[in-house]
Amino acid sequence: EAQVTQNPRYLITVTGKKLTVTCSQNMNHEYMSWYRQDPGLGLRQIYYSMNVEVTDKGDVPEGYKVSRKEKRNFPLILESPSPNQTSLYFCASSSGLAGGTDTQYFGPGTRLTVL
Amino acid sequence: LAKTTQPISMDSYEGQEVNITCSHNNIATNDYITWYQQFPSQGPRFIIQGYKTKVTNEVASLFIPADRKSSTLSLPRVSLSDTAVYYCLVGDRNTDKLIFGTGTRLQVFP
Repeated sequence: EAQVTQNPRYLITVTGKKLTVTCSQNMNHEYMSWYRQDPGLGLRQIYYSMNVEVTDKGDVPEGYKVSRKEKRNFPLILESPSPNQTSLYFCASSSGLAGGTDTQYFGPGTRLTVL
Repeated sequence: LAKTTQPISMDSYEGQEVNITCSHNNIATNDYITWYQQFPSQGPRFIIQGYKTKVTNEVASLFIPADRKSSTLSLPRVSLSDTAVYYCLVGDRNTDKLIFGTGTRLQVFP
């Protein structure tokens, strides 16, 4: 089954404790992206990757890192999480033929709480 | 940066046609305009995309005027299961960043 998986689905952590949210897709997609969703602010892009070893900042990259060492994986790293990073995070992938505006497939989401 | 505007909410009754418009300026000239549906606690799900004029699939139609400064998602004969939040997605002309619309919460009543 074609899908995007994220782990963990739920995470409660404390300020400053490094964490990684994994994202994996099995559709051989070139384009992968991370979003955060907050009430009243909608979905905002954090980082995206057009291909392996190519990553770019989205709208709200501060406080996040990503890597794209393999085509299928695109982990999101929070080196020193802060409470304002409490949010619902989505990973997505697409073929990349239209710069990400082609059909994106979203993961189930990771709800992160930073105390 | 491209700016998008959608109505915050809309109400409808089962069987009616619903039209949701997204205004978007400064969008990339060669990218699609895409619409997504999102249910609570789930990731957005693709509905339809288009480049210009009109596109129709089995669930919706999308109308895009020649200037591409707006797009209208049309849902024919909505049902209770269409109650969700609907987002447009565009690419910014200058930065290639993706910008989601503000989202429209559609409530369908029996």
